[in-house]
Amino acid sequence: DQQVKQNSPSLSVQEGRISILNCDYTNSMFDYFLWYKKYPAEGPTFLISISSIKDKNEDGRFTVFLNKSAKHLSLHIVPSQPGDSAVYFCAGGGAGSGGSNYKLTFGKGTLLTVNP
Amino acid sequence: GAGVSQSPSNKVTEKGKDVELRCDPISGHTALYWYRQSLGQGLEFLIYFQGNSAPDKSGLPSDRFSAERTGGSVSTLTIQRTQQEDSAVYLCASSLGRAQPQHFGDGTRLSIL
Repeated sequence: DQQVKQNSPSLSVQEGRISILNCDYTNSMFDYFLWYKKYPAEGPTFLISISSIKDKNEDGRFTVFLNKSAKHLSLHIVPSQPGDSAVYFCAGGGAGSGGSNYKLTFGKGTLLTVNP
Repeated sequence: GAGVSQSPSNKVTEKGKDVELRCDPISGHTALYWYRQSLGQGLEFLIYFQGNSAPDKSGLPSDRFSAERTGGSVSTLTIQRTQQEDSAVYLCASSLGRAQPQHFGDGTRLSIL
């Protein structure tokens, strides 16, 4: 049972354009979501997070949107840069009493390639 | 500042041998997690430590896997009688606490021959 799905294994965009990475989840107990970036032979690097009480969180070039009714979130990178080329993982966790917000469930990742 | 440190970075061993993987979390982080990533898969939760509380071992795939965290800092993940399906990248992460972003080490790539 894949609770977090990233249906696009890869995405290619031109430098300067917008990159949109999508993620769907099935576990309604998730109320905390994170995006990580991963370069080869390195561990994932935390990018941005969002709580379910929000529908948008922005940090510089990175914006995460959350649509709870659709159980969908997306990461927008504007403008995209060649250094953004990496695998991006979406992760969800559940907060609250007895919740497992410490245990993240990850998608399989999307390989983003930003072409100069 | 220093990030999460894992050793060794690579480990090749024969089937049936025991292996120990080490994780040094970020100083001051009370929460420590182990995940593994098999080829083409997302990260799979293994075990979680929070302060002096009993660890959550719910993600450990079999009783061949165990982990400990000494003095609330360094952690060791031990795999006994390794099998080929144990081949994966084992990642350690730490955070300031629950619901705080987890920061990852670069992982140990384990290959079982």
